[in-house]
Amino acid sequence: GAGVSQSPSNKVTEKGKDVELRCDPISGHTALYWYRQRLGQGLEFLIYFQGNSAPDKSGLPSDRFSAERTGESVSTLTIQRTQQEDSAVYLCASSPKTGVNTIYFGEGSWLTVV
Amino acid sequence: ILNVEQSPQSLHVQEGDSTNFTCSFPSSNFYALHWYRWETAKSPEALFVMTLNGDEKKKGRISATLNTKEGYSYLYIKGSQPEDSATYLCALRSGNTPLVFGKGTRLSVIA
Repeated sequence: GAGVSQSPSNKVTEKGKDVELRCDPISGHTALYWYRQRLGQGLEFLIYFQGNSAPDKSGLPSDRFSAERTGESVSTLTIQRTQQEDSAVYLCASSPKTGVNTIYFGEGSWLTVV
Repeated sequence: ILNVEQSPQSLHVQEGDSTNFTCSFPSSNFYALHWYRWETAKSPEALFVMTLNGDEKKKGRISATLNTKEGYSYLYIKGSQPEDSATYLCALRSGNTPLVFGKGTRLSVIA
């Protein structure tokens, strides 16, 4: 597709379950980012991938969070043993490379942990 | 930790009014300042990327200015319309870091 695609668009899960969120970046974009926004908060950086470099994981809030990226393609964000505070919209974004380039967002995956 | 502040947090204006809001950021190690518009149930949409002190950018009725020395950017909307209702986000790139976002200004334009 032309834009960043995320799935699922909505997910309700029980506390303690694992969830996987998927992101398909724009074709050819080497940089991929995950952000999240919890209620009343700003967009919070989680992790970013740049080509074949080691990912910057500095924003991951705990070891329950992990992400992988296959080459310069699909990325999966996994949250293990979900907690209610994980409820948020998880946004994926991609850009041709880092630097001043605009980053292009998907519509997000809205996660509710009950 | 970089701190990007936006004010006001929310704003209600009448259709036809002009409005503006502020993004403040640390001026050291400045690289770029981004503005996004985020409408409910849609993806954040890029408005501007600004890099130079004194930059002014314009897109239709929306414009932005940048002062990197004092660490602020203003976003202006002229003649607000209901379709301008959205959250406006600014984000700072400092050095080689990923974008750091403010909490946004939520604009509601009342017809």
